[in-house]
Amino acid sequence: QKEVEQNSGPLSVPEGAIASLNCTYSDRGSQSFFWYRQYSGKSPELIMFIYSNGDKEDGRFTAQLNKASQYVSLLIRDSQPSDSATYLCALKNAGNNRKLIWGLGTSLAVNP
Amino acid sequence: NAGVTQTPKFRILKIGQSMTLQCAQDMNHNYMYWYRQDPGMGLKLIYYSVGAGITDKGEVPNGYNVSRSTTEDFPLRLELAAPSQTSVYFCASSYQGGDTEAFFGQGTRLTVV
Repeated sequence: QKEVEQNSGPLSVPEGAIASLNCTYSDRGSQSFFWYRQYSGKSPELIMFIYSNGDKEDGRFTAQLNKASQYVSLLIRDSQPSDSATYLCALKNAGNNRKLIWGLGTSLAVNP
Repeated sequence: NAGVTQTPKFRILKIGQSMTLQCAQDMNHNYMYWYRQDPGMGLKLIYYSVGAGITDKGEVPNGYNVSRSTTEDFPLRLELAAPSQTSVYFCASSYQGGDTEAFFGQGTRLTVV
């Protein structure tokens, strides 16, 4: 089992809809969780981070963490064509706090 | 505020040549990382450093070397370039390792022919 798993997509949603991106992880001791957005040909940039169980909202973005079920998700409300990108999930394992463990990313396409 | 600066942005190497990818950050971060990203794939960690004078291997270190003589700079050396090293290389830094945001440079697109 991979340490961090994401559906590669592409996930296609119409403009204005809610996009739901999911990430599961294998290390139950994982702590810090991050969502990065990467536009084609660009470097990753942080969207949100979450450390505690529950929801965290920032504008149109909501991160949800469920440590018991070992998943973290990112909801994008009122999706815009400019949200079309690859979304990378990353986390810190309990055994090594010096680096992040990365998923392969989910490609999101928001259709006008 | 420059953040993380990588040079060059693009490079074409011939098989067997060597080169150094430069990375510098001005945020006084202790942690620095080198990743490679192949088309449609995620980030693979090549090497990382937790401070000046300290480096460690990541998932895919073969064919690469690093040094960290200062907090600011973390160059990546490719020796005897091979076509398998064709990729996009990203340098990143963070304040507190896996606990905090990683800031990325703009990337270096390397082609080995």
